Amino acid sequence: AQSVTQPDIHITVSEGASLELRCNYSYGATPYLFWYVQSPGQGLQLLLKYFSGDTLVQGIKGFEAEFKRSQSSFNLRKPSVHWSDAAEYFCAVGANNAGNMLTFGGGTRLMVKP
Amino acid sequence: GAVVSQHPSWVICKSGTSVKIECRSLDFQATTMFWYRQFPKQSLMLMATSNEGSKATYEQGVEKDKFLINHASLTLSTLTVTSAHPEDSSFYICSARGTSVRGGTDTQYFGPGTRLTVL
Repeated sequence: AQSVTQPDIHITVSEGASLELRCNYSYGATPYLFWYVQSPGQGLQLLLKYFSGDTLVQGIKGFEAEFKRSQSSFNLRKPSVHWSDAAEYFCAVGANNAGNMLTFGGGTRLMVKP
Repeated sequence: GAVVSQHPSWVICKSGTSVKIECRSLDFQATTMFWYRQFPKQSLMLMATSNEGSKATYEQGVEKDKFLINHASLTLSTLTVTSAHPEDSSFYICSARGTSVRGGTDTQYFGPGTRLTVL
């Protein structure tokens, strides 16, 4: 069975500082990995996804993530956080590129200090 | 990206009544639609997967008679919470899989969610 763990429930960073959100997955085959962002009371927006090729993927809003098979990780990074990045972030693993059968991690709430 | 809408965005109902939530893909045909439930400060839990014209596939522990799903067309799926009770209060999010008319790859697009409060 597939599973996703996001070890950090809450993270607070100062505006302009760098950010890394951790994600570890368990999946029997080649994983399709996703990062989503959810603003309060809103649905999910896809930031980026990985399924093959270059292990460093670029997403929207200046985010990137690196797939490390040896560590079963897919951590999300951003070099300089903006106040508008404050939101809930979800890592997910799916059965294919379209995101079928998505299993979500518990989420990490990001707070940004001015 | 593609647009998925949900209606209503917020609903309050009395215990024992039924509530219908609509999910529409606005600029693409969705081969598959998904319904998720999200409790406060928790992650999304997949409730069911539906394909147009066929019965929905429910996840373990989800009562299919309680949560009726109808996927009437390639752009519309509905979730009806029957005989709602306070414990059904939650944030319900749908998603639709397809390819936007604007191009791109087959992917899953999420709606904005519907907050249900049962009194």
